[in-house]
Amino acid sequence: GDSVTQMEGPVTLSEEAFLTINCTYTATGYPSLFWYVQYPGEGLQLLLKATKADDKGSNKGFEATYRKETTSFHLEKGSVQVSDSAVYFCALSDQGKSSGDKLTFGTGTRLAVRP
Amino acid sequence: DVKVTQSSRYLVKRTGEKVFLECVQDMDHENMFWYRQDPGLGLRLIYFSYDVKMKEKGDIPEGYSVSREKKERFSLILESASTNQTSMYLCASSPPLGQIMNTEAFFGQGTRLTVV
Repeated sequence: GDSVTQMEGPVTLSEEAFLTINCTYTATGYPSLFWYVQYPGEGLQLLLKATKADDKGSNKGFEATYRKETTSFHLEKGSVQVSDSAVYFCALSDQGKSSGDKLTFGTGTRLAVRP
Repeated sequence: DVKVTQSSRYLVKRTGEKVFLECVQDMDHENMFWYRQDPGLGLRLIYFSYDVKMKEKGDIPEGYSVSREKKERFSLILESASTNQTSMYLCASSPPLGQIMNTEAFFGQGTRLTVV
């Protein structure tokens, strides 16, 4: 079945540091890929997405590129802020399947940014 | 603004009680989902529904049931609550795949359920 593997946290960085959170996936169809973010005490909200190979999703300074050859969708940000402290979830929706509306999530990576 | 509303933020129930978690969305979405979130396990799908009165089991349906009598409302039912069902429960909704290729799910704020 479909699966998403992301790096374990927590990740602790100083403000203005470079961020990478790795995400790889396994899917039999043609997945769309997502990064969701969960700020403390809140539900998940979409951060960015990509629907086909080589697409780059971007939002709020975060970027991720859909790499079909390496089945990866790594999240990057050039300069993190304290306000980026949250849990980040990589997810896929396999649109090649009849139940492709479902999202399969990774385990989440907690990011803590120090001032 | 898009909105998914869960009826309670925090809930404490006793073992053996029947528990209802309610979720309402105002976006006229066909799809609705219930996930539970546990540390180190991420989000796991319990049940989802793609239409009124339709439901499908997710990855961990045991001990749960659902009800979707109206399009905007999706209820999760714990028939007899147990301590291992202590968790954060998240509801989500999305449009159907056929309408929008870039399927995006919208989440509620979550219900933290403690079973004692």
